[in-house]
Amino acid sequence: SYELTQPVSVSVSPGQTASITCSGDKLGDKYVCWFQQKPGQSPVLVMYEDDKRPSGIPERFSGSNSGNTATLTITETQAADEADYYCQAWDSSVVFGGGTKLTVL
Amino acid sequence: QITLQESGPTLVKPTQTLTLTCTVSGFSVSTREVGVHWIRQSPGKALEWLAVIYWNEDKRYSPSLKTRLTITKDTFKNQVVLTMTNVDRVDTATYFCAHSDGVPETMAVWGRGTTITVSS
Repeated sequence: SYELTQPVSVSVSPGQTASITCSGDKLGDKYVCWFQQKPGQSPVLVMYEDDKRPSGIPERFSGSNSGNTATLTITETQAADEADYYCQAWDSSVVFGGGTKLTVL
Repeated sequence: QITLQESGPTLVKPTQTLTLTCTVSGFSVSTREVGVHWIRQSPGKALEWLAVIYWNEDKRYSPSLKTRLTITKDTFKNQVVLTMTNVDRVDTATYFCAHSDGVPETMAVWGRGTTITVSS
């Protein structure tokens, strides 16, 4: 079955740039979505079709996808961005990555 | 405004069948290209996709759980129902439903989730 691999954790200082990667076989041939989930809340879509931002998501969030790796980049990271982030793609079914805990410290 | 609300029993015994209902508003489960997904999250764990049903009754299931899952929809009630047979303690989780439409589909709107505990 298809797998998406994410780093367990990423740390970033406030105001700096955070990059969260998602790896999978030929992932660049698929569309990737990214979800942000804060404790006790439902996931929120922050990126779709690799690099499209839903309305209401700050321009600080951007995405890319090429080769075997998709990346969610957050510039000027704020304390409010601290959350778990999940990548998602379709293979023969929906697949989620294992999630990355973003810590802003 | 699209909203989804999950409902179900808070406690289920091992080996029983779990029935979850997703009641939607702001769209019809029969609107062209609409899909309603079920996703779960065990405590402290990652999201796990379970199933989807589309406007035209097409269905997809998680390969690892397909033998235990059935997804259906009721157009008149505007609901999607997921049943899971033979539950076990590892099925303890928060269960979410989510709306998608278009191609490629995107789960853009999620419900708040319902927490299910499997215990004797």
